[in-house]
Amino acid sequence: EAQVTQNPRYLITVTGKKLTVTCSQNMNHEYMSWYRQDPGLGLRQIYYSMNVEVTDKGDVPEGYKVSRKEKRNFPLILESPSPNQTSLYFCASKFGAGVYEQYFGPGTRLTVT
Amino acid sequence: RKEVEQDPGPFNVPEGATVAFNCTYSNSASQSFFWYRQDCRKEPKLLMSVYSSGNEDGRFTAQLNRASQYISLLIRDSKLSDSATYLCAVNTGFQKLVFGTGTRLLVSP
Repeated sequence: EAQVTQNPRYLITVTGKKLTVTCSQNMNHEYMSWYRQDPGLGLRQIYYSMNVEVTDKGDVPEGYKVSRKEKRNFPLILESPSPNQTSLYFCASKFGAGVYEQYFGPGTRLTVT
Repeated sequence: RKEVEQDPGPFNVPEGATVAFNCTYSNSASQSFFWYRQDCRKEPKLLMSVYSSGNEDGRFTAQLNRASQYISLLIRDSKLSDSATYLCAVNTGFQKLVFGTGTRLLVSP
């Protein structure tokens, strides 16, 4: 089954404790991205990647890092999480940078206390 | 001004009603447009792309008005299962898909 998977689905952590949210897709997509969704603000792009070793900032990259060492994986790293990073995070992928359907992972609900 | 704007709703309609949502975008160079459906705190799923000539998929019709810079989604014969949040998304051409904040639809018996 074609899908985007994320782990963990739920995470409660404390300020400053480094964490990684994994994202993997099995569709051989080149383009992957991370979004956060907050009430009243909608989905905002954090980082995106157009291919292996090619990443770029989205609209809200501060406090996040990403890497794209393999085509299928695109982990999101929070080196020192803060409470304002409490949010619902979605990983997404699509075939390429052009006009293609974007598939979303199931989401990761992160709470930073 | 936000790049993509939607009325948050909620739109409360009875079953069988016709309901329409609009979504305005600010970048006149925007190239492609989509409607996504999102159930409560789940992942968005593509409902339909929006083509220049308009397109229809069953009870759903999407339209694009480039002159006024908005897209619309019309749902006919609303079902209880249509209750969800509808997100519009606009590809601005900078490798970026910008989403609206969504319009919530509640269909009641």
